Amino acid sequence: ETGVTQTPRHLVMGMTNKKSLKCEQHLGHNAMYWYKQSAKKPLELMFVYSLEERVENNSVPSRFSPECPNSSHLFLHLHTLQPEDSALYLCASSPQGPPTVEKLFFGSGTQLSVL
Amino acid sequence: EDQVTQSPEALRLQEGESSSLNCSYTVSGLRGLFWYRQDPGKGPEFLFTLYSAGEEKEKERLKATLTKKESFLHITAPKPEDSATYLCAVQGILLAETSYDKVIFGPGTSLSVIP
Repeated sequence: ETGVTQTPRHLVMGMTNKKSLKCEQHLGHNAMYWYKQSAKKPLELMFVYSLEERVENNSVPSRFSPECPNSSHLFLHLHTLQPEDSALYLCASSPQGPPTVEKLFFGSGTQLSVL
Repeated sequence: EDQVTQSPEALRLQEGESSSLNCSYTVSGLRGLFWYRQDPGKGPEFLFTLYSAGEEKEKERLKATLTKKESFLHITAPKPEDSATYLCAVQGILLAETSYDKVIFGPGTSLSVIP
């Protein structure tokens, strides 16, 4: 398998649930990202990891908790979410990471619905 | 404040009817401007990177151009398979208060090409 893979593709959870999103990249990249894409809004950067170290936490509520155990895997742990957190969550990777100007390789995303 | 806007929000074209999409940006020193294509239910797919005013890049029916304030994505004789949302993103200079020069995405233009 190649590219950036995200699981699950769809997730429905209640406000009191705890769930995790998983991302895996098979490209040998050093940087990984979480983005949020809400309807009618631009992509919003949530977290950036470069060589497994978090380099950016873009003022994200603590109910979202990232984890990067190695350069190929990235998780987003979710707990006590709100309905406004319903969105498409996209994982991306890039060869070197910040501050290099380079393209991002995106996964297909997890469509999250919070009831 | 750094920002990216795109126009029009949506565009319907007849097959073969050429047109252009606009991306206007304000950023404290441009380091790179990106164009991505996003199909429904998928993550964005990279198209082009432009680095300086006057630069142009082409790929099949698409041509991207860059000035100091905006970029255009020209679509020549489009086909139905060109239907997608086209995203523009800008990477600015490294800011003093952060270790990460952020990539800011525009809201996108939804293109529909009718047979």
